[in-house]
Amino acid sequence: EADIYQTPRYLVIGTGKKITLECSQTMGHDKMYWYQQDPGMELHLIHYSYGVNSTEKGDLSSESTVSRIRTEHFPLTLESARPSHTSQYLCASAPGTHYNEQFFGPGTRLTVL
Amino acid sequence: GNSVTQMEGPVTLSEEAFLTINCTYTATGYPSLFWYVQYPGEGLQLLLKATKADDKGSNKGFEATYRKETTSFHLEKGSVQVSDSAVYFCALNDYKLSFGAGTTVTVRA
Repeated sequence: EADIYQTPRYLVIGTGKKITLECSQTMGHDKMYWYQQDPGMELHLIHYSYGVNSTEKGDLSSESTVSRIRTEHFPLTLESARPSHTSQYLCASAPGTHYNEQFFGPGTRLTVL
Repeated sequence: GNSVTQMEGPVTLSEEAFLTINCTYTATGYPSLFWYVQYPGEGLQLLLKATKADDKGSNKGFEATYRKETTSFHLEKGSVQVSDSAVYFCALNDYKLSFGAGTTVTVRA
């Protein structure tokens, strides 16, 4: 079944740790996105990719980094987590054509102590 | 640039009440318009969409009509249920997806 997956769903970690949030999709979509969202609040685009080896920063500045080595995989990394990084992170994908909707993963709820 | 403005919440309703969430947009091109829904602890799900003027999107009893003359895409449901309690996001897609701030809806039994 075509879908988009995120792991872990919940993560509690101490300050200074390096973390990687995983996102994979089986729909063959070219475009992938990372959003940061406080619960029930506005979404902020932090990274996006239009294909393999293509990554761009989004509207909201973020200390995280991303990579796109394979079409289906778009991991997000924080080299040194801080309490200010506590948030929900949503991954999404979309077909390469314009005007199409994005498909969202279930999200990762990150808490940095 | 493109932007979406939607009605601020929170909105609290009784079961079987009528729901309207206003959404207006600003866009330079001819965007597609979407309503997404987010249930507690989950990601966003597409609720409905419209790709051109006068299109009506509908799903699960929700409807929205793409009004180019008023640049609006208001979401309506005639009789809400407790299970409709969620956050609703209006969005447009011209060259990228732009979201509104979200409206929290709570339906009481």
